[in-house]
Amino acid sequence: KAGVTQTPRYLIKTRGQQVTLSCSPISGHRSVSWYQQTPGQGLQFLFEYFSETQRNKGNFPGRFSGRQFSNSRSEMNVSTLELGDSALYLCASSLLGKQFFGPGTRLTVL
Amino acid sequence: DAKTTQPNSMESNEEEPVHLPCNHSTISGTDYIHWYRQLPSQGPEYVIHGLTSNVNNRMASLAIAEDRKSSTLILHRATLRDAAVYYCILVQTGANNLFFGTGTRLTVIP
Repeated sequence: KAGVTQTPRYLIKTRGQQVTLSCSPISGHRSVSWYQQTPGQGLQFLFEYFSETQRNKGNFPGRFSGRQFSNSRSEMNVSTLELGDSALYLCASSLLGKQFFGPGTRLTVL
Repeated sequence: DAKTTQPNSMESNEEEPVHLPCNHSTISGTDYIHWYRQLPSQGPEYVIHGLTSNVNNRMASLAIAEDRKSSTLILHRATLRDAAVYYCILVQTGANNLFFGTGTRLTVIP
């Protein structure tokens, strides 16, 4: 089975812009979670989607949003980018309590 | 969310066993103990999880204290490929939101 894929792998944006990141889960996995990883804050949970519904949400401002499609693919969007949004964004799909992570999207905000 | 405490770093010689400790004194009855690891420049990788009984898989063993307030991840023979940050995480039954701490950075010495 193919693993979790994320696109793009690298992205450079400027402050004030918005960005959309994509995640394709492992076939058959219906839950997709998103995480942000920075050197200062470590790995932080953003949100989880299951069957197109947001099921859990971490402590991030409303500029961070997401959605899930009927084929379980998920997107996350960050609007009005700030310098502090520079991070590695990871998504994971879940089955039977185990999470399988993608390689991440490295976002740099200039 | 219940918290875990791990040593910041540990070292092991190659081909020797490694015992990575984790304290979780506020664990609730429905919390599973999960371990993930993150190799350099990769997303986290599931290692093992358990509830009450000790668990074994091809990667590692998980020893859980009788009172469940601590656990130990055991790598039976450390290899250079096992050098990573290891995270011990408490996960509520049915939940897919992981709250990562700072983890233990394992260095394997050839």
